[in-house]
Amino acid sequence: EVQLVESGGGLVQPGGSLRLSCAASGFTFKDFWMAWVRQAPGKGLEWVANLRHDRTEMYYAASVKGRFTVSRDNAQNSLYLQMNSLRAEDTAVYYCVRVIVATMGIEWFDPWGQGTLVTVSS
Amino acid sequence: SYELTQPPSVSVSPGQTATITCSGDGLPKQYGYWYQQKPGQAPVLVIYKDSERPSGIPERFSGSSSGTTVTLTISGVQVEDEADYYCQSADGTGHRNVVFGGGTKLTVL
Repeated sequence: EVQLVESGGGLVQPGGSLRLSCAASGFTFKDFWMAWVRQAPGKGLEWVANLRHDRTEMYYAASVKGRFTVSRDNAQNSLYLQMNSLRAEDTAVYYCVRVIVATMGIEWFDPWGQGTLVTVSS
Repeated sequence: SYELTQPPSVSVSPGQTATITCSGDGLPKQYGYWYQQKPGQAPVLVIYKDSERPSGIPERFSGSSSGTTVTLTISGVQVEDEADYYCQSADGTGHRNVVFGGGTKLTVL
């Protein structure tokens, strides 16, 4: 069974940093693109970042570019999101997702982890 | 920036057919995907590439595409189908930017 388990969320002050982790199991992690998607309380879904399986390509939403960094350790079957200069508007549940890529521009998210809550507040 | 537009809410009675639309200028060139999210749970993929259904998703879920609109149809709606539904696509810029619609709350009366 494919499983994605996020950790590392919590309360952080504005301007602070946090590192999220995602432990993957049940599939060959090193063969898949991975991504982070977030959802602010009571709001819709927002894509955050994608990372290619071999780490040669990464893409970010404009709202986080320059502040967030996505990375992975294929030996540990783990995905990470380093979040710096956090703002109140970054408050959200952050989901780790596997990306199914048919070809460039034809890709979707399946499955999703249960998410980890990040709260940015003083 | 590229946007996908969904109706905020749709209401149907059990056994009826629910249709949820998603409109975007890029949809004639990009596929649409649909996710179901029940309260307190993570989203689940229900339709990919406009009309393909993942294994384990009931046959009452179907998808279609026409012009700038993709549509999720749930035939014979059941009470357990009450959830938020999100469409997703790509912005087609080649930078792998992913876009989600604002979500539609399906209420089963």
